[in-house]
Amino acid sequence: EAGVTQFPSHSVIEKGQTVTLRCDPISGHDNLYWYRRVMGKEIKFLLHFVKESKQDESGMPNNRFLAERTGGTYSTLKVQPAELEDSGVYFCASSPGTGATYEQYFGPGTRLTVT
Amino acid sequence: GEDVEQSLFLSVREGDSSVINCTYTDSSSTYLYWYKQEPGAGLQLLTYIFSNMDMKQDQRLTVLLNKKDKHLSLRIADTQTGDSAIYFCAESLYNFNKFYFGSGTKLNVKP
Repeated sequence: EAGVTQFPSHSVIEKGQTVTLRCDPISGHDNLYWYRRVMGKEIKFLLHFVKESKQDESGMPNNRFLAERTGGTYSTLKVQPAELEDSGVYFCASSPGTGATYEQYFGPGTRLTVT
Repeated sequence: GEDVEQSLFLSVREGDSSVINCTYTDSSSTYLYWYKQEPGAGLQLLTYIFSNMDMKQDQRLTVLLNKKDKHLSLRIADTQTGDSAIYFCAESLYNFNKFYFGSGTKLNVKP
């Protein structure tokens, strides 16, 4: 079974540009989460999808961030326009809709560097 | 919000035991987790403990939970150089909808 995959693994952009991160969850997982780790600090929750619906987006920093999960499969996280403080590692995680929902499976992360 | 605190660094010699500590603030935690991140890799779930347990052992790993003090620890017996990584403590509340992580403890194992 393939794990959670993220693309790209690393992105370097200039301040003011746009970047789109992609996450493919484990097949069949209804729950999809985005997290971010900034500059060696704690990993912080951004938002949670159940299928294609946003269940909780309380962690989204501001309206420069837009997450989508059309069709309830993969998800994208767009940052527009990017600022220096957006630099960090963006993790995606998924979990099943039923059963062992207490386990979240994480992807390798996308390292975003804004210069 | 919920706070999860960890010390930033730990250095041990190969063969010794490592103990990584974590404190949390929310008494309604349901599960508590330890994740491992090796250099260049993602987060790997090492182990977890349900909040009504005191201890869980899994091969070289022992998790101790003191609910009264809101203190969680991970003991790695016979630490190897391959255990060098960042270890994250995390908690989930009753609905598992989001995890609260600490800042991670970087474990350095010296040969």
